[in-house]
Amino acid sequence: AQKVTQAQTEISVVEKEDVTLDCVYETRDTTYYLFWYKQPPSGELVFLIRRNSFDEQNEISGRYSWNFQKSTSSFNFTITASQVVDSAVYFCALRPWMKTSYDKVIFGPGTSLSVIP
Amino acid sequence: DTEVTQTPKHLVMGMTNKKSLKCEQHMGHRAMYWYKQKAKKPPELMFVYSYEKLSINESVPSRFSPECPNSSLLNLHLHALQPEDSALYLCASSQEGLAGGLPYEQYFGPGTRLTVT
Repeated sequence: AQKVTQAQTEISVVEKEDVTLDCVYETRDTTYYLFWYKQPPSGELVFLIRRNSFDEQNEISGRYSWNFQKSTSSFNFTITASQVVDSAVYFCALRPWMKTSYDKVIFGPGTSLSVIP
Repeated sequence: DTEVTQTPKHLVMGMTNKKSLKCEQHMGHRAMYWYKQKAKKPPELMFVYSYEKLSINESVPSRFSPECPNSSLLNLHLHALQPEDSALYLCASSQEGLAGGLPYEQYFGPGTRLTVT
């Protein structure tokens, strides 16, 4: 079975604090793809990052960073010096590698982040 | 132009009505998707079109009927809906295949908020 768990349902932080959003996934595939999306109140999902299962290199993009640890099946997302505009729901997602099924995105339940000024 | 547009933004319909949701993209993407998202839940995949052909139907009830008249347009025809079908309907598009071993990211529209009375 394939599954994505985001244990934190809601998080509130004060502006400029760092915050880490957890993502744990389950899959029996050796090849798979992981994604993070942001959904602001406007509704549309915004792509943030994608990773394949062979690339465990951590990535930093501005205030965002991602930590992929295959040994613990985790793909955590950290926002440094959070801003009010970071307030949104964040989804971690898993996509299988088979062409016939990698369009089937398995989303985690999402973490709602509120950044308080 | 990296935009997916959806019309209408809001739709209220009775259970006996027939209506259609429209999605458009001009990025040359050949994969298009319909998702349903209930409040405080992740998106759920409904349909996938690949090169204007239906490739995935996630066992969606027949009161939802997708159509892809050309590579830029995706419609979702609605008929005899139930109140539980009230949700945010998201359209997405992406390039087909893989790039550097990774599936292309999906670009999402802002969604149509549907209320069935």
